[in-house]
Amino acid sequence: ETVLTQFPGTLSLSLGERATLSCRASQSVSSDTLAWYQQKPGQAPRLVIYSSSIRATGIPDRFSGSGSETDFTLTISRLEPEDFAVYYCQQYRGSAYTFGQGTKLEI
Amino acid sequence: QIALRESGLTLVKPTQTLTLTCSFSGFSLRASGMGVGWIRQPPGQALEWLALIYGNDDKRYSPSLKTRLTITSDTSENRVILTMANIDPADTGTYFCAHAPRFYNFPIGYYSYFDHWGRGTPVTVSS
Repeated sequence: ETVLTQFPGTLSLSLGERATLSCRASQSVSSDTLAWYQQKPGQAPRLVIYSSSIRATGIPDRFSGSGSETDFTLTISRLEPEDFAVYYCQQYRGSAYTFGQGTKLEI
Repeated sequence: QIALRESGLTLVKPTQTLTLTCSFSGFSLRASGMGVGWIRQPPGQALEWLALIYGNDDKRYSPSLKTRLTITSDTSENRVILTMANIDPADTGTYFCAHAPRFYNFPIGYYSYFDHWGRGTPVTVSS
């Protein structure tokens, strides 16, 4: 099973700052299969990025994704109040999907 | 507009079988390239993928839970059903179903993202 490790566990930033969230895979994964989700308290997750770098429908362009093989990054260029949430990366390999443990982005 | 809604018993006793239903609209599993996945989340913890089914009855299961899970679809009723046998208190959490469009990559094969989610249904396992 491919383990995804996200860091930092918690990221404390202010409005307008840049956020960089990392996701490291225990083995190489296809960038096509790497996604990021945003989850706010009491809500279902929301797809933010798929194929490592493509924004999902309705996601503002301050969100961007990058990376390849074992290292992937989600960047939020200028934090807005609605961006503070938990973010999960997810991948598919070997007929199984795995999620990272999440990064909590707090103000 | 795609929408999904989970339903099932919220309180289950240990060793029983949990049955969850995902009712959906806005797409059909008869359509090529459509799927529905189940994901759960223990209280205060991370997401965990459980199972996925495509319209051609291609099914995928979490390796660690494979022996306890069964996923089926009722295309005429637009429903996907997940059963989990021998339930345990560690299975307590919120269970989500999600729309999973299918993509292809060589040499990975078919894969999905979860682009529309239901609100989730809480499940508590306790005697």
